Amino acid sequence: GAVVSQHPSRVICKSGTSVKIECRSLDFQATTMFWYRQFPKKSLMLMATSNEGSKATYEQGVEKDKFLINHASLTLSTLTVTSAHPEDSSFYICSAIRWGLSSYNEQFFGPGTRLTVL
Amino acid sequence: SQQGEEDPQALSIQEGENATMNCSYKTSINNLQWYRQNSGRGLVHLILIRSNEREKHSGRLRVTLDTSKKSSSLLITASRAADTASYFCITQETSGSRLTFGEGTQLTVNP
Repeated sequence: GAVVSQHPSRVICKSGTSVKIECRSLDFQATTMFWYRQFPKKSLMLMATSNEGSKATYEQGVEKDKFLINHASLTLSTLTVTSAHPEDSSFYICSAIRWGLSSYNEQFFGPGTRLTVL
Repeated sequence: SQQGEEDPQALSIQEGENATMNCSYKTSINNLQWYRQNSGRGLVHLILIRSNEREKHSGRLRVTLDTSKKSSSLLITASRAADTASYFCITQETSGSRLTFGEGTQLTVNP
């Protein structure tokens, strides 16, 4: 089946630094990827929609300049958390759409990246 | 209530017993997926079932989908302590590509 990977799986950084998280579709091309953030009670919040070759679409309340998204290829989207603060510590998860026949699409989650900002 | 709502929220059973978790949703879907997540760890994809499918099996897992009732169930047979995790159902609506992700069922399998 389709596989979506994320790298790194865990990262610890100092406050004020930037961290880049990669999301890759391993055996299919994904023109659209999504970035989510998981909160302690485990519900997911959609942060942004990443489209290959164009600017990402951010959800209301998500700072574009803080969470930079680049979807440079059909298999890779990156999320950069800039000037990270402890409150940015969270679990970040991406998902990717695989388009099938007759425009039927399926979406798969990556395993997630745990970010800890000290 | 939220789309992709799991029931029960918590389930505790003994090793060897079967565990059944349910998921209800509200809108028309293309597919429904079940994932598991160990505490502090990443998501693991279990099964995807499409709207035109009624049942799928994978090892000790059995997933059913009833589109008329807008519900799905995940059955884990002969449970093991290693099955202890949170289990989530995720629905993909026909109206778009966005997924809806519930808060999950916390399964505890006691040795």
